[in-house]
Amino acid sequence: TQLLEQSPQFLSIQEGENLTVYCNSSSVFSSLQWYRQEPGEGPVLLVTVVTGGEVKKLKRLTFQFGDARKDSSLHITAAQPGDTGLYLCAGVPWDSWGKLQFGAGTQVVVTP
Amino acid sequence: DAGVTQSPTHLIKTRGQQVTLRCSPKSGHDTVSWYQQALGQGPQFIFQYYEEEERQRGNFPDRFSGHQFPNYSSELNVNALLLGDSALYLCASRLAGEVAGELFFGEGSRLTVL
Repeated sequence: TQLLEQSPQFLSIQEGENLTVYCNSSSVFSSLQWYRQEPGEGPVLLVTVVTGGEVKKLKRLTFQFGDARKDSSLHITAAQPGDTGLYLCAGVPWDSWGKLQFGAGTQVVVTP
Repeated sequence: DAGVTQSPTHLIKTRGQQVTLRCSPKSGHDTVSWYQQALGQGPQFIFQYYEEEERQRGNFPDRFSGHQFPNYSSELNVNALLLGDSALYLCASRLAGEVAGELFFGEGSRLTVL
């Protein structure tokens, strides 16, 4: 059972377009992490957001953590084929920090 | 500097058999977690080892057990395999005490149960 809901499940766009992926939960987390996973590999951490309302930018990627610490979004500007992958959000619970709770992921495909 | 290494990369078992998966954490890391990732799903937390003890456990039956060795490497054992155990098993390591620290994942062991 995924406590974190990600939407959409699948996103296919052309190179140069923008996209946004959402991560929502009824639970409050101490922090939230975003990972990208490519076929045949394990997830790789992109960012950790800790403060409610926080916005972090990583080149063309912008991450937001909701004020209530229950939701987050990932926005990619001018997507490139190298952005293709499975994007996973993961919540860090307050009472069991070692036990990440992952969403089901959003598969992003960027075509040239 | 080697990252997290897992073995084997792929394996096929039949129902009722037992399997052991192995993980060597990233150099300098002492905490190892195991996750199960079914097809089309995100990883699900199985358990975490630190100082050779299971520290936290997810919602998995006792058929799933583990071990951590003095060199911080770890094993995941699954007994009485079911078809539903078919999944990618991911090992992740990090430094103890880094609450929101980066988890480094291995490439996983793909288990198919027939």
